[in-house]
Amino acid sequence: NAGVTQTPKFQVLKTGQSMTLQCAQDMNHNSMYWYRQDPGMGLRLIYYSASEGTTDKGEVPNGYNVSRLNKREFSLRLESAAPSQTSVYFCASSEQGNSREQYFGPGTRLTVT
Amino acid sequence: GNSVTQMEGPVTLSEEAFLTINCTYTATGYPSLFWYVQYPGEGLQLLLKATKADDKGSNKGFEATYRKETTSFHLEKGSVQVSDSAVYFCALSVNQGGKLIFGQGTELSVKP
Repeated sequence: NAGVTQTPKFQVLKTGQSMTLQCAQDMNHNSMYWYRQDPGMGLRLIYYSASEGTTDKGEVPNGYNVSRLNKREFSLRLESAAPSQTSVYFCASSEQGNSREQYFGPGTRLTVT
Repeated sequence: GNSVTQMEGPVTLSEEAFLTINCTYTATGYPSLFWYVQYPGEGLQLLLKATKADDKGSNKGFEATYRKETTSFHLEKGSVQVSDSAVYFCALSVNQGGKLIFGQGTELSVKP
């Protein structure tokens, strides 16, 4: 039981390049989330998917797109990377509901030069 | 709007000292409150939670009580260990599909 897995662990991009961050969970959770973590700012929600086939914007969606490929997988795409997107990205999943625990992946450290 | 404010870190303590990390919140409706912990190089994991006023969450010697009158959810531990060194995040969720709103995090360093 791997929980939430993310690939890659590290990535360096040049400004304007594109990439997709992959996330998968094996807990049969309906809800999945993408956060970014920046120093002194905690985690901020980029996009979330309450269930398979639905996605919604979070607090900081600009410059990102997502795809809920199936119940297990939720990917985050940067179409044209900018230095402001240098961050650590975390994927999480949970059962539906407001008091449910979210399970986090190990994170992807992205640097945009 | 909904927000969470935590005391700034880093917090440095000696082993066996008493720990308090303050957390206050602003929310519309009736939030669920959480403490998550992030050990170096890892993702976040749930430490404890409380879903209604006056509930006390507890785990691994840590406790926090949901205080509606003071809109607070302070984290406490009676005797910290070196292994408790981590970043602690207070968070809330309120009737919006389980989305979490996080505080900025408080780094704790425990010295032997």
